[in-house]
Amino acid sequence: KAGVTQTPRYLIKTRGQQVTLSCSPISGHRSVSWYQQTPGQGLQFLFEYFSETQRNKGNFPGRFSGRQFSNSRSEMNVSTLELGDSALYLCASSSGGRNEQYFGPGTRLTVT
Amino acid sequence: GESVGLHLPTLSVQEGDNSIINCAYSNSASDYFIWYKQESGKGPQFIIDIRSNMDKRQGQRVTVLLNKTVKHLSLQIAATQPGDSAVYFCAESTSGTYKYIFGTGTRLKVLA
Repeated sequence: KAGVTQTPRYLIKTRGQQVTLSCSPISGHRSVSWYQQTPGQGLQFLFEYFSETQRNKGNFPGRFSGRQFSNSRSEMNVSTLELGDSALYLCASSSGGRNEQYFGPGTRLTVT
Repeated sequence: GESVGLHLPTLSVQEGDNSIINCAYSNSASDYFIWYKQESGKGPQFIIDIRSNMDKRQGQRVTVLLNKTVKHLSLQIAATQPGDSAVYFCAESTSGTYKYIFGTGTRLKVLA
């Protein structure tokens, strides 16, 4: 089975721009979660989607948004980028219940 | 607020010895826990999980212990190998929240 894939792997953007990151979950998995990882804050939960519905959202500003498509693929968008948004963005998928959650390799976003 | 923390940010062990990585959690309602391993440049890798109705769970060379009384979680790695060198995270979840809260991580260094 193919693992969780994330595209792009690396991204450099300028302050004020917006960015869209993509995540394809493991086949059959319907839950996709997004996390931001930084050296200072560690792994922070952004949001979780299941069957195209957001079930929970972390404590991030409204500039961070996401969505999930009918094939379970998910995208997250960050608008009006700030320097502090530079981070590794990780996507994780699971079958939907509270069980094993598998992570992708992440997208490294650098905001200059 | 909710938090999951680790006692030791860096742990150095001799190859072949057993390793013990600790984690404290503050939310007594947490009822599902996962240990992850993250190698440089990669996303977190699922190691083992445990639910609150268990005190101990064993996998291949790994054992997770859960002490709900003191809200403590530990990961034991038997016969530590150089390939075990990585950062280890614990994560906790509460029923109905659909999110995981991650600890700050412990770096395990295996000495030859």
